[in-house]
Amino acid sequence: NAGVTQTPKFRVLKTGQSMTLLCAQDMNHEYMYWYRQDPGMGLRLIHYSVGEGTTAKGEVPDGYNVSRLKKQNFLLGLESAAPSQTSVYFCASRDPGPETQYFGPGTRLLVL
Amino acid sequence: TQLLEQSPQFLSIQEGENLTVYCNSSSVFSSLQWYRQEPGEGPVLLVTVVTGGEVKKLKRLTFQFGDARKDSSLHITAAQPGDTGLYLCAGARSGGSNYKLTFGKGTLLTVNP
Repeated sequence: NAGVTQTPKFRVLKTGQSMTLLCAQDMNHEYMYWYRQDPGMGLRLIHYSVGEGTTAKGEVPDGYNVSRLKKQNFLLGLESAAPSQTSVYFCASRDPGPETQYFGPGTRLLVL
Repeated sequence: TQLLEQSPQFLSIQEGENLTVYCNSSSVFSSLQWYRQEPGEGPVLLVTVVTGGEVKKLKRLTFQFGDARKDSSLHITAAQPGDTGLYLCAGARSGGSNYKLTFGKGTLLTVNP
């Protein structure tokens, strides 16, 4: 099993450009999450999904959209990138209950 | 609002020393998890505690959940350079849905040889 994978690993964007980050998990988990991690800020939840076809806003959703058309995939979109969105983005998945949350390796995004 | 406060934020010690990292909140959590994150990688779960007063040991690491389920600590005995990393605590709120975990900002530990 690959666990949680993220594509791409690194990306440079210009202000105003758009892009989609892909997260895939092969553990049949119900819940999936997108976080951003910034120095001194810890992990902040952007959006999450509790099942196929569902999405919900997290702590910092502005400027991002998500979709979960298939249970194993969770996409994070930036419609018009801004320098403030420069960050490391982590996807995670888990099942209900006090279960292990598995993280992907991260996507490093630089917006110029 | 930062619901989980971790302390210290940074910790640099020599190999063989002992250390304790704290995770505190005014909120009650149904469970609390500790993760370790190494540079360039995602966090990896170390332990989950669910019962107030619970103590779990993982080799040289000892985790404790407070009696009131509002706080937790991580104690490392005889730290080694391989323990270097960012330690994160995360809690699932008590009551209502527990879809989301609340993360602390982390403690960056450096163990020098």
